[in-house]
Amino acid sequence: SQTIHQWPATLVQPVGSPLSLECTVEGTSNPNLYWYRQAAGRGLQLLFYSVGIGQISSEVPQNLSASRPQDRQFILSSKKLLLSDSGFYLCAWNADRVIYGYTFGSGTRLTVV
Amino acid sequence: KQEVTQIPAALSVPEGENLVLNCSFTDSAIYNLQWFRQDPGKGLTSLLLIQSSQREQTSGRLNASLDKSSGRSTLYIAASQPGDSATYLCAVGGGSSNTGKLIFGQGTTLQVKP
Repeated sequence: SQTIHQWPATLVQPVGSPLSLECTVEGTSNPNLYWYRQAAGRGLQLLFYSVGIGQISSEVPQNLSASRPQDRQFILSSKKLLLSDSGFYLCAWNADRVIYGYTFGSGTRLTVV
Repeated sequence: KQEVTQIPAALSVPEGENLVLNCSFTDSAIYNLQWFRQDPGKGLTSLLLIQSSQREQTSGRLNASLDKSSGRSTLYIAASQPGDSATYLCAVGGGSSNTGKLIFGQGTTLQVKP
């Protein structure tokens, strides 16, 4: 069966520090991968999605970037965190966005101080 | 641009009641609609997925319906229990211009009192 892993679960980082959040999927190949952010009172916002290795689409101009160095690995990064980057970050995957639903990871709570 | 709205934003009911959560969307050209549950501080758990060609899906005490032409979906929860307390999110995939990305509503926060 397929599983999705996200880490770390919580993170407290100072303003201006770098960020790296990792997401991996097991039990499937060539998944579509997504990063969402859930900020208080703002709902879930799609940040990046990837349909293959090295293929990244950005949805919202921001201080973040994403990379997909391997088929089942998706990384969210920042060179310098801002206070506004605080939020709950969720990784998700699906096999085919038309046919199949999305499966989400357990999330990372990021607090920038 | 696809917009998803969920009503009500919050709901409090006594245990045992049947309840309906509502979701509406503006662009009916969707691939599918998915209902999720989110417990505080946790990730999203998929409850039901309805394809655009389907009218409803059922899982246990949950039943989700889809009326694509009117841009509406409902999640029916039968015989509610305190363990059903959570935030319920509706999300649509597809639409004329969003290339299949999942667009979420703001959610309905449900409290079931013992």
